[in-house]
Amino acid sequence: RKEVEQDPGPFNVPEGATVAFNCTYSNSASQSFFWYRQDCRKEPKLLMSVYSSGNEDGRFTAQLNRASQYISLLIRDSKLSDSATYLCVVNKGGNKLVFGAGTILRVKS
Amino acid sequence: EPEVTQTPSHQVTQMGQEVILRCVPISNHLYFYWYRQILGQKVEFLVSFYNNEISEKSEIFDDQFSVERPDGSNFTLKIRSTKLEDSAMYFCASSDGTATRPQHFGDGTRLSIL
Repeated sequence: RKEVEQDPGPFNVPEGATVAFNCTYSNSASQSFFWYRQDCRKEPKLLMSVYSSGNEDGRFTAQLNRASQYISLLIRDSKLSDSATYLCVVNKGGNKLVFGAGTILRVKS
Repeated sequence: EPEVTQTPSHQVTQMGQEVILRCVPISNHLYFYWYRQILGQKVEFLVSFYNNEISEKSEIFDDQFSVERPDGSNFTLKIRSTKLEDSAMYFCASSDGTATRPQHFGDGTRLSIL
């Protein structure tokens, strides 16, 4: 089983749509969780940390279910500028981030 | 907003040559990292560095690789004798703590081995 698993997509959605991404991780001892976005051939940029209670940042909502080892990201009112690859990232403890392969989002006008 | 900077943006090198990739982490960060991303693949951890020593490294980070903090601002990755399969984007990252603290990435160095 992969350490961090994501649906590769692509998700093709119209502007204004709501889209949800899912991610599962294999190591139950994982300590912290993040969503990063990556534009083509650019660096990963932190979108948000994910907390057990769930958290929201504007149009973005992240959820964590430790029992199911499942993380989600919801994007409301999609914009053209949201088009990117969304990376689910897990820290097992210590220094090493483990990246999922990413989910491609394409928002169309 | 403070950022991690990397130089050069693109490095082309003959196989077997040594390369040094440079990074300036965010100034108040104490934890430094290198990752790489082969074209079309996921981002992979190489090494973490704290208090002037390696704290963790992956299987990829073999004897051909080394890291150094030569002064108070720079953090370097050296590949001693490059191979074709070293061609990738190399990202430097830094953080102000471990585990729960997010890591912030530089815009990468594209390394092309001929």
